[in-house]
Amino acid sequence: EPEVTQTPSHQVTQMGQEVILRCVPISNHLYFYWYRQILGQKVEFLVSFYNNEISEKSEIFDDQFSVERPDGSNFTLKIRSTKLEDSAMYFCASSLGQDGPYEQYFGPGTRLTVT
Amino acid sequence: DAKTTQPPSMDCAEGRAANLPCNHSTISGNEYVYWYRQIHSQGPQYIIHGLKNNETNEMASLIITEDRKSSTLILPHATLRDTAVYYCIVRVKGGGADGLTFGKGTHLIIQP
Repeated sequence: EPEVTQTPSHQVTQMGQEVILRCVPISNHLYFYWYRQILGQKVEFLVSFYNNEISEKSEIFDDQFSVERPDGSNFTLKIRSTKLEDSAMYFCASSLGQDGPYEQYFGPGTRLTVT
Repeated sequence: DAKTTQPPSMDCAEGRAANLPCNHSTISGNEYVYWYRQIHSQGPQYIIHGLKNNETNEMASLIITEDRKSSTLILPHATLRDTAVYYCIVRVKGGGADGLTFGKGTHLIIQP
């Protein structure tokens, strides 16, 4: 069964450093998403991406975040200058399309630890 | 998207049916009910969705009341691996760009 994959599974970085989290969505899916979950808190939507551009973004997704689909398979989330409060699990998801009630499929997540 | 209300936690004995309720009294006619679950910090996992008819798949059944103001997710024969947080989410059809809004969900604990 096709699945969303994410790398790395755990990333440790120092405050102020840039990090790139990588995702490979399911191959025929058209919509891609990033979510985060701070330890003990709810899963929060960050951004959705379709047709090589951002479709929707939440208030959390500020100028320090960016997303990119650099090739036909990868989807990345970049955090330019990490802060302690960026420590969280980051989940990538993908879905088939827009017109139907298409479910989102999530990857296993990347645990980001900012020290 | 309409808000949902779920009990914070529930217990169920292994092998029994787990019935998880969800209230969504402000749901609109074009909004679907989705259920996801999250097993201990893993990525959320899609379970099932429905509009107004009852639905069943290999994982679960979804019962939606006639007025669509509430629904119940049924895991017919719960196992220890079903221990997870279960989220009921209401979302418009065609909202492909929209992120899912997760609440606190119901922490279902399956007891041996």
